[in-house]
Amino acid sequence: DAGVIQSPRHEVTEMGQEVTLRCKPISGHNSLFWYRQTMMRGLELLIYFNNNVPIDDSGMPEDRFSAKMPNASFSTLKIQPSEPRDSAVYFCASTQGASNQPQHFGDGTRLSIL
Amino acid sequence: SQQGEEDPQALSIQEGENATMNCSYKTSINNLQWYRQNSGRGLVHLILIRSNEREKHSGRLRVTLDTSKKSSSLLITASRAADTASYFCALWGGSGNTPLVFGKGTRLSVIA
Repeated sequence: DAGVIQSPRHEVTEMGQEVTLRCKPISGHNSLFWYRQTMMRGLELLIYFNNNVPIDDSGMPEDRFSAKMPNASFSTLKIQPSEPRDSAVYFCASTQGASNQPQHFGDGTRLSIL
Repeated sequence: SQQGEEDPQALSIQEGENATMNCSYKTSINNLQWYRQNSGRGLVHLILIRSNEREKHSGRLRVTLDTSKKSSSLLITASRAADTASYFCALWGGSGNTPLVFGKGTRLSVIA
C-alpha cells in the first residue's frame, strides 16, 4: 500500500519566493496533519484537517502560511513570501478516524530558504 | 504544557544491550503513543497505550505507563544497529478533535 506521499522531497529557494508543499494522504484516511520539524523547536503541529475541513490552525506561525485541502486525496501548504527562518523539514501525516489515532507520516520536504 | 518530555535526550549503547527511554508529562492523558524516526525519514508509529493500560508489548518493544507518576517508558531489548533512530512520545489528553502533542525525542545510537 502506498503511504503518505509528499513532494518535493527537497526545495531550495531564495527568500521572498512562494513555496508550495504537497501531500497525498493514505486513501481512506479522513484526517490530515501538517508539521514542521527543527532542531530548536522539535515537531510542531501547524494545522490539521478532518474530512477536508480545517479544524485547528493555531500552529500556523504567520499569515504568510496557508493550507488547503480541496479534496480527500490532496493538500497543500503554501508559504508566501518565504523567509530564511522558514527553513525546516515539513511533514504531512494522515490517520483514519479521530485525532488520537496512530498517525502515518510522509518522508517530509526539506525546505531551505536562502 | 501537554507536551511530553523524553529522557535522556541522547543515549548510546552497544548492540545487544537494552535501551530504556522515558517520557514524563504534566497533564492527564487518554492515550500515549511512541514513534520512531530514522534519519531523513518520517515518524513511524510503534505502540499506543491507553490510560487504563499499564504495559504493552510488541516484539522487542515494551511500553509501560504509570499514570500516577505521569510517566511512560519504552524498552527496546537486545538492541540492534538498525534500532538507531530518534524516539518520540506523543500525548493525547483531550476529546474530539484535540490533536496529538509530540515531545522532542530521544536520540538512540546503537553501536555494532
